Amino acid sequence: SYELTQPLSVSVALGQTARITCGGNNIGSKNVHWYQQKPGQAPVLVICRDSIRPSGIPEHFSGSNSGNTATLTISRAQADDEADYYCQVWDSSTFFGGGTKLTVL
Amino acid sequence: EVQLVESGGGLVKPGGSLRLSCAASGFTFSRYNMNWVRQAPGKGLEWVSVISSSSDYIYYTDSVKGRFTISRDNARTSLYLQMNSLRAEDTAVYYCARDAYGDKYFDSWGQGTLVTVSS
Repeated sequence: SYELTQPLSVSVALGQTARITCGGNNIGSKNVHWYQQKPGQAPVLVICRDSIRPSGIPEHFSGSNSGNTATLTISRAQADDEADYYCQVWDSSTFFGGGTKLTVL
Repeated sequence: EVQLVESGGGLVKPGGSLRLSCAASGFTFSRYNMNWVRQAPGKGLEWVSVISSSSDYIYYTDSVKGRFTISRDNARTSLYLQMNSLRAEDTAVYYCARDAYGDKYFDSWGQGTLVTVSS
């Protein structure tokens, strides 16, 4: 089993930068993927392989991964970015972080 | 456009069975590994099972081993999850999710189907 630790909640002022972390043992050696989930909707992939934005994902989403922490960065946060965010890795099986609720103030 | 449409959810008593289906369209279904991922009410995402493109490998999370069976029909472009001996803790929205080609993350998801296990 591989444990991924995310903060329960993160708040950001409109137009500012939010950073959501995902902690795991030597996570920097793994590929980390991030999903956005809005209430009542299915998850949507927003970052794959640490830092790659899939087609159609806005440029203000970015990712990084090093050491024991991966980070999803949301620059110039918008009201529409308010959602739950989950990190995911594969380590002989698929593991998700517990999720972080992003509030845009 | 990739589309994944789940069906088959509903209310079932503990110990009962249910079969979920996921109808796929908009891509070459037979080339992709497929998964079931679930989300209990108010909780996070939990991977349940994966089946390879040609069904030659199948894996389950420990909590469903021996109770759930994943399968697929490439001719019908459909994915299935047979769930037996259901428990209250299996209550969740079940999502069908496509593995990114050649990688282990999920690039497309269905809208989900709710399974409620309650007496």
